[in-house]
Amino acid sequence: DIVMTQSPLSLSVTPGEPASISCRSSQSLLHSNGYSYLDWYVQRPGQPPQLLIYLSSTRAPGVPDRFRGSGSGTDFTLQISRVEAGDVGIYYCMQARQTVAFGGGTKVDIK
Amino acid sequence: QQLVQESGPGLVRPSQTLSLTCTVSGDSISTTSNHFNWIRQAAGKGLEWIGRIYSDGKTHYNSSLTSRATISADMSKNQIFLKLTSVTAADTAVYYCTRSAVEYSSYFGMDVWGQGTTVIVSS
Repeated sequence: DIVMTQSPLSLSVTPGEPASISCRSSQSLLHSNGYSYLDWYVQRPGQPPQLLIYLSSTRAPGVPDRFRGSGSGTDFTLQISRVEAGDVGIYYCMQARQTVAFGGGTKVDIK
Repeated sequence: QQLVQESGPGLVRPSQTLSLTCTVSGDSISTTSNHFNWIRQAAGKGLEWIGRIYSDGKTHYNSSLTSRATISADMSKNQIFLKLTSVTAADTAVYYCTRSAVEYSSYFGMDVWGQGTTVIVSS
């Protein structure tokens, strides 16, 4: 089974400053079609998770361009260019290359 | 646009079988390429994928739950079911039904999530 590892566990960010979350998979998520099957989700307080990024770097509809996903193979990054108060929540990476597995989550809060 | 809603008993006795229903509104689950997942989250913990079902009825499961979990569907009612046998307190969680969007073999992420249904395992 593929194991997903996120870091850091938590992040406290000043509004307007950038944030970065890393995700590593125990096996390559790169498909023969050239895409890495890695998604990012955010779970805001009291809400179900919501899709942010799929296939490593494609933003879901309605997701602001402050959110940027990058990476290929086994190493991935989610960057928020300017954190806002509404970005508070837990961010999860998820691999969809072989069945499904989630990272442990990164909690983002505001300083 | 398909939407999903989970339902089921909020309380299950230990050693019994947990049974949940996901009702899908919108397009028929049998005529799209999308597939549907069950995911759970214990209080204060992360997300755990349980398994998924495709429009042809094919299923895949988390290797840690494969002996206890069964996912099935009633295509005529646009409903997806989860059965989890021999439950213990460790199965207490919020259970989510989600859609993985697939169109013309292209993947678009788990783009639809239900609000979740809370299941408590207790005597």
